[in-house]
Amino acid sequence: SAVISQKPSRDICQRGTSLTIQCQVDSQVTMMFWYRQQPGQSLTLIATANQGSEATYESGFVIDKFPISRPNLTFSTLTVSNMSPEDSSIYLCSVSPGVGEQYFGPGTRLTVT
Amino acid sequence: AQSVAQPEDQVNVAEGNPLTVKCTYSVSGNPYLFWYVQYPNRGLQFLLKYITGDNLVKGSYGFEAEFNKSQTSFHLKKPSALVSDSALYFCAVRDDSSNDYKLSFGAGTTVTVRA
Repeated sequence: SAVISQKPSRDICQRGTSLTIQCQVDSQVTMMFWYRQQPGQSLTLIATANQGSEATYESGFVIDKFPISRPNLTFSTLTVSNMSPEDSSIYLCSVSPGVGEQYFGPGTRLTVT
Repeated sequence: AQSVAQPEDQVNVAEGNPLTVKCTYSVSGNPYLFWYVQYPNRGLQFLLKYITGDNLVKGSYGFEAEFNKSQTSFHLKKPSALVSDSALYFCAVRDDSSNDYKLSFGAGTTVTVRA
């Protein structure tokens, strides 16, 4: 398994600003993922962030809006840029150290006003 | 392509009764199947997985799941539910023919266990 921490745990931001979310893992992992989740809803994959390569974005998500950094095997950041109220959500990072299961961070609850 | 369906939005059971949360899947190759639980204001916690081998897999907190290839199902079960099992449960699948390690999640099932 893996232990994952995220910062901040929650934030309230003004529209038009940007927020950077940090994800720290207690062990080295190649595969890392960023998700968005509306409370009580399912998860939507934003992008896959593997160390040593550019992040791969899912349909509907673009690098200009959600730039991702993956500087090493234990850390990643997701930035939500030029925020609007529609970006209000829970953002989760996860890692896949094994055959297929993913382990998730506690999430960052973002509210945009 | 891979997908998973959870046909029930909500499951309500009395404490001490058996709990079943249903999941069906669709993959091109062979499935890797997973169950997760999410408590309020928390991240997802991994419960159990089926990769290969015995069709009945056991996981955390007394949960188990049975892989049924002919019915393309992977239902989560607990013989005797606790009030503390009340949470949101997600089934997820990965096609073993995929090398991108992405998971597809179901819509989730809210479980309420009444005292």
